[in-house]
Amino acid sequence: QQQVKQSPQSLIVQKGGISIINCAYENTAFDYFPWYQQFPGKGPALLIAIRPDVSEKKEGRFTISFNKSAKQFSLHIMDSQPGDSATYFCAPKNEGSGSRLTFGEGTQLTVNP
Amino acid sequence: KAGVTQTPRYLIKTRGQQVTLSCSPISGHRSVSWYQQTPGQGLQFLFEYFSETQRNKGNFPGRFSGRQFSNSRSEMNVSTLELGDSALYLCASSIPTGVPTGELFFGEGSRLTVL
Repeated sequence: QQQVKQSPQSLIVQKGGISIINCAYENTAFDYFPWYQQFPGKGPALLIAIRPDVSEKKEGRFTISFNKSAKQFSLHIMDSQPGDSATYFCAPKNEGSGSRLTFGEGTQLTVNP
Repeated sequence: KAGVTQTPRYLIKTRGQQVTLSCSPISGHRSVSWYQQTPGQGLQFLFEYFSETQRNKGNFPGRFSGRQFSNSRSEMNVSTLELGDSALYLCASSIPTGVPTGELFFGEGSRLTVL
């Protein structure tokens, strides 16, 4: 079943631009909403995460916006840099599921210099 | 601090064979989980081990199995390999907590090709 839907599949942005990736989920039991970043040949690495008691979290150039009623959350990358070129995954989970993340399909971001 | 180490990094097997993959978690991490990554299905959860016990399992057939040792190192095994088992197998370790945090630290994966 498609519990987590991520869009767009791919995104091309110019250096200095804003990259926005969206994630929609169905499971209302999810209570932890991370974004993972994966470079070619590497495993995913946690970029930023949010809990449902806040609607937005910012860490440097990266911001998560969370809309509980719409069951959506998004990743915003400000001042995008070529080094941000990677694949991004949303991967929500619920507390009772241990380390079981439900990954979105991934968004391949390319930032042109 | 050393990261998650997976061995072997690359391997080629033929249909019907079996394979064992190994994962050494970050020192102090007691939870180890395994994921399969393919272009078609994306990243899918296989199973999680904590204190040598499987505490979560994904929707994979019984050909996929795993175990965890007392030093938290883990192995996964796939028997009777099929072409569709070709994938990147990722191991992740974490410090399990009772709150919905718990960052997963992934290794670089073992890339399995089944011919």
